[in-house]
Amino acid sequence: DTAVSQTPKYLVTQMGNDKSIKCEQNLGHDTMYWYKQDSKKFLKIMFSYNNKELIINETVPNRFSPKSPDKAHLNLHINSLELGDSAVYFCASSQRGDIQYFGAGTRLSVL
Amino acid sequence: SQQGEEDPQALSIQEGENATMNCSYKTSINNLQWYRQNSGRGLVHLILIRSNEREKHSGRLRVTLDTSKKSSSLLITASRAADTASYFCATDRNRDDKIIFGKGTRLHILP
Repeated sequence: DTAVSQTPKYLVTQMGNDKSIKCEQNLGHDTMYWYKQDSKKFLKIMFSYNNKELIINETVPNRFSPKSPDKAHLNLHINSLELGDSAVYFCASSQRGDIQYFGAGTRLSVL
Repeated sequence: SQQGEEDPQALSIQEGENATMNCSYKTSINNLQWYRQNSGRGLVHLILIRSNEREKHSGRLRVTLDTSKKSSSLLITASRAADTASYFCATDRNRDDKIIFGKGTRLHILP
């Protein structure tokens, strides 16, 4: 069973559209994260939730809205997609700042 | 702001040789981690070293930590083709739970 799974794996969409990426972890971890990896492979944290509570919110446009219905799920909704949003988005989970377990990534291409 | 910086950015070595990557960081930490990312995949945790440890081994991996110099090194001995990947160091800051990744070292093992 996949520990951290995110869907979809690939997402191709037009500018201005709204899209969501889903993430689920079955590790029983309290903390979940969203990262963005750009074309230069730089991995930057976007959000972190601990037990459904937002604890890290980096300088991310408010077009990005995370939602955590329970501690095993952290979804990312993006409004009004822009070209610069094209990247690979990774979900991860950990037991409060320790080792992070990553999903396989969602490659978002905005045309 | 970025915490960890890996050096070199890219490294090509012959199979069987040892590979050494370095990571420097800016603020005091609780622990430092190394991750591997194969092309098109998520990051996989390799090893964690705590701030009160100086050296740690795991199989062919050896990690050192020098908190006075705010630096760490990852040594992969007897490299194999399967070691071709990007390697990232990640540091937490002891004032919060945020983990910050460096830009990574791209390692290429030549046959």
